[in-house]
Amino acid sequence: GQNIDQPTEMTATEGAIVQINCTYQTSGFNGLFWYQQHAGEAPTFLSYNVLDGLEEKGRFSSFLSRSKGYSYLLLKELQMKDSASYLCAVRDQDRDDKIIFGKGTRLHILP
Amino acid sequence: GAVVSQHPSRVICKSGTSVKIECRSLDFQATTMFWYRQFPKQSLMLMATSNEGSKATYEQGVEKDKFLINHASLTLSTLTVTSAHPEDSSFYICSAASTGGRETQYFGPGTRLLVL
Repeated sequence: GQNIDQPTEMTATEGAIVQINCTYQTSGFNGLFWYQQHAGEAPTFLSYNVLDGLEEKGRFSSFLSRSKGYSYLLLKELQMKDSASYLCAVRDQDRDDKIIFGKGTRLHILP
Repeated sequence: GAVVSQHPSRVICKSGTSVKIECRSLDFQATTMFWYRQFPKQSLMLMATSNEGSKATYEQGVEKDKFLINHASLTLSTLTVTSAHPEDSSFYICSAASTGGRETQYFGPGTRLLVL
């Protein structure tokens, strides 16, 4: 089975930093993805972690701890355009490497 | 990143009719394509996995006779919603992977289906 948990909604202020957490339980972990999805649009790829540690890409960073089944997405210098849903997704090698999505975190940015 | 297109982007149809949605990988060969459905404020739910030249693999609870998938070439997969009902109204998104899904998937822009 597979279970991916992330907060439903978060609010942050423009210019600030926000951390979106994701915990997962899967039998065949083979990588974790973060996607950004604006309302009415398809998801866009943000990051991929398969080894423990922090991956930094501009204003966005993603962290993974496989032993804890835990990841977070860190967004710095928040901009209004960062208002979107952020989807945590896990690839499961016991399910033919399919990518299964969490329910997403809706992030609201306040001016 | 790679480019995946979907057509149509939006479709309105009458209950009982069939609707075909196309998913194309424009700049790479997609050995595997995935079809997702997303209801408002819900996450993406994987419906099926299609591999070029073979039958699609459906997730539990997805009716294969209702959602027909054809992956006829390395750049095209189609999803046909047969005998559509209002409850089939949703956002359908395809994604494509180049080597059996071992790399990241690239998503199409989605198709919004409204069944009246």
